[in-house]
Amino acid sequence: EAGVTQSPTHLIKTRGQQATLRCSPISGHTSVYWYQQALGLGLQFLLWYDEGEERNRGNFPPRFSGRQFPNYSSELNVNALELEDSALYLCASSLAGQETQYFGPGTRLLVL
Amino acid sequence: QQQVKQSPQSLIVQKGGISIINCAYENTAFDYFPWYQQFPGKGPALLIAIRPDVSEKKEGRFTISFNKSAKQFSLHIMDSQPGDSATYFCAASHSNSGYALNFGKGTSLLVTP
Repeated sequence: EAGVTQSPTHLIKTRGQQATLRCSPISGHTSVYWYQQALGLGLQFLLWYDEGEERNRGNFPPRFSGRQFPNYSSELNVNALELEDSALYLCASSLAGQETQYFGPGTRLLVL
Repeated sequence: QQQVKQSPQSLIVQKGGISIINCAYENTAFDYFPWYQQFPGKGPALLIAIRPDVSEKKEGRFTISFNKSAKQFSLHIMDSQPGDSATYFCAASHSNSGYALNFGKGTSLLVTP
């Protein structure tokens, strides 16, 4: 069975641009989580989507947003990119109401 | 504010030795404590997890010890192997937040031959 997939694997943008990252959860999983892994800051929770709705949000500005589609895949959008947004963005999925999260390989975003 | 504090930052252990990584938390609402292993260029992979009603959980060479009163938990890797060389993250979450994970800063483990 396929795990969590993310695309693209790498993304290079310049300051002020917008980035769109995509995630497909494990089949049957309805919850999708996004995390940022920045150098020196560790792994930080960004957003949680379940059944198409944003359910919880970490301590990030509103320019970090996303959505979940009817097939439970998800998209993370980062507007007005800043240099410090350079990081590995990880997506994880879980079964509804379950605590175990499975991570994808991540999208490495570089902002120049 | 770091809700989960992890130590040490890095660890070097000889092959066959025991690797021990410690974590502490403040939020007593946390009710799920997983450990993740991450290799360079990969996403974190779930290693083992525990709930606070259990003081110890063992899976193969990996053991979690949990001390609810001290709000601490630790990962022990027995008979450490070079293939265990990776970064290890402890985390904590609670059902009220949909189990959004609060991670420690990670421990870089190197197991020497």
